[in-house]
Amino acid sequence: GAVVSQHPSWVICKSGTSVKIECRSLDFQATTMFWYRQFPKQSLMLMATSNEGSKATYEQGVEKDKFLINHASLTLSTLTVTSAHPEDSSFYICSALNQGGQETQYFGPGTRLLVL
Amino acid sequence: DAKTTQPPSMDCAEGRAANLPCNHSTISGNEYVYWYRQIHSQGPQYIIHGLKNNETNEMASLIITEDRKSSTLILPHATLRDTAVYYCIVSPRYNFNKFYFGSGTKLNVKP
Repeated sequence: GAVVSQHPSWVICKSGTSVKIECRSLDFQATTMFWYRQFPKQSLMLMATSNEGSKATYEQGVEKDKFLINHASLTLSTLTVTSAHPEDSSFYICSALNQGGQETQYFGPGTRLLVL
Repeated sequence: DAKTTQPPSMDCAEGRAANLPCNHSTISGNEYVYWYRQIHSQGPQYIIHGLKNNETNEMASLIITEDRKSSTLILPHATLRDTAVYYCIVSPRYNFNKFYFGSGTKLNVKP
């Protein structure tokens, strides 16, 4: 139980294009999901909190117009990196809060983004 | 905002117990201790969490000191697949937007 998936697992795109990453909770409903970013040899940094049916809450320094988050259902949140640039290349990881189970967050496998 | 202190790396022989320490001297009364691990190029995996009592599950045991200022994660019989970065995190329950991962401990399990 408590499985979270992400799609795609990796993506390469050209500078200036937009990339959408999906995060799904497969066997539980998640009113809250989180998006993290991890640069090489660094730890995970929280980017934003995604709440089903409402606007996401962004951490300080994260541009909400660049990283669009949509949480349209209890099992799906999407992160769209708009007008991607090489400095956006990173490992993007989502997590979903399972309040009905262990009451902790479970992480997806991550999406590696490379912007050329 | 580091709320926990962990050694950067540890070695453990395969089949032996791995004991990973964590200091959280400024922990608040409503904060839990969570442990996650991250195997290279994967998302973090939940291991265990606790408030003040010792906890055990199929993966590990969590020992929290009486004053709650430190804890130890115990992997009873480490295998090569347990090689990973282990993160100790303190966070209020249900308030995961304060989940700070820190640098973690790289556990190297050796044959």
